[in-house]
Amino acid sequence: DAGITQSPRHKVTETGTPVTLRCHQTENHRYMYWYRQDPGHGLRLIHYSYGVKDTDKGEVSDGYSVSRSKTEDFLLTLESATSSQTSVYFCAINGDLNQPQHFGDGTRLSIL
Amino acid sequence: RKEVEQDPGPFNVPEGATVAFNCTYSNSASQSFFWYRQDCRKEPKLLMSVYSSGNEDGRFTAQLNRASQYISLLIRDSKLSDSATYLCVVIPGYSSASKIIFGSGTRLSIRP
Repeated sequence: DAGITQSPRHKVTETGTPVTLRCHQTENHRYMYWYRQDPGHGLRLIHYSYGVKDTDKGEVSDGYSVSRSKTEDFLLTLESATSSQTSVYFCAINGDLNQPQHFGDGTRLSIL
Repeated sequence: RKEVEQDPGPFNVPEGATVAFNCTYSNSASQSFFWYRQDCRKEPKLLMSVYSSGNEDGRFTAQLNRASQYISLLIRDSKLSDSATYLCVVIPGYSSASKIIFGSGTRLSIRP
C-alpha cells in the first residue's frame, strides 16, 4: 500500500472551532489532494497541491484552506467549522496527473 | 450532461453471475481512465487501469470505447467479496488536477 497516513482518523468538534487535518506521505509524490465524500455526491475535490507551496482550488474549496510546507505533508484547515462540513475527508497522492491516485484511510469529521 | 456518469445501481446479482457496468464521459480529450473499488466506510482502492486495447486481471475485464465515450467493467464468476461500490475515474490529460473527475459510483451487491 502507498505510504499515506491521515490524522486524526475521527474527530468531533463544535461549530465555529478551527480544525486541521493532516496528510502525510512517504512516497515523495509531487501531487497531493484533499477530497470530501458525502452521500449522493461522490468524491469532490477541495484543494490540491502540485509541489511545495504550490496549491490550487478544487470544486468545493469555500471554507477550506491548505498548506504544503514540505513534500510529505499536506494540511487541510477549516478556519471556522460549520455543520455542512461534516463529512468524510480523504487525502490522495500520485506522482503524475495521469497516474492513478492512492488514498489514505480517511478522516471522519463531525461538526456539532 | 454530467462530465462522468455512472448508473448508481444497486446491482443485485447471485454469486457466480457475470455483471457489467459502464461509465460514460463527456470530454473527448480524456486520456486516462481507472476503476476503483470502495468498500463501505473505507477508502477507494485502485482496481485496474483501463487501456485502449482493453485489459484483463483475473475475473475483471476493463474496456474503453472512445467512439462512444465510455469505459466498462466486467466481473465474471462474481464472489460475495465483490460486493462494493465501483468508481470510475476520468483524467483529461495534462491540464489540471481540478479536471480529474470521479464518478459517483455503482453499488454492487452479490447474494449467496
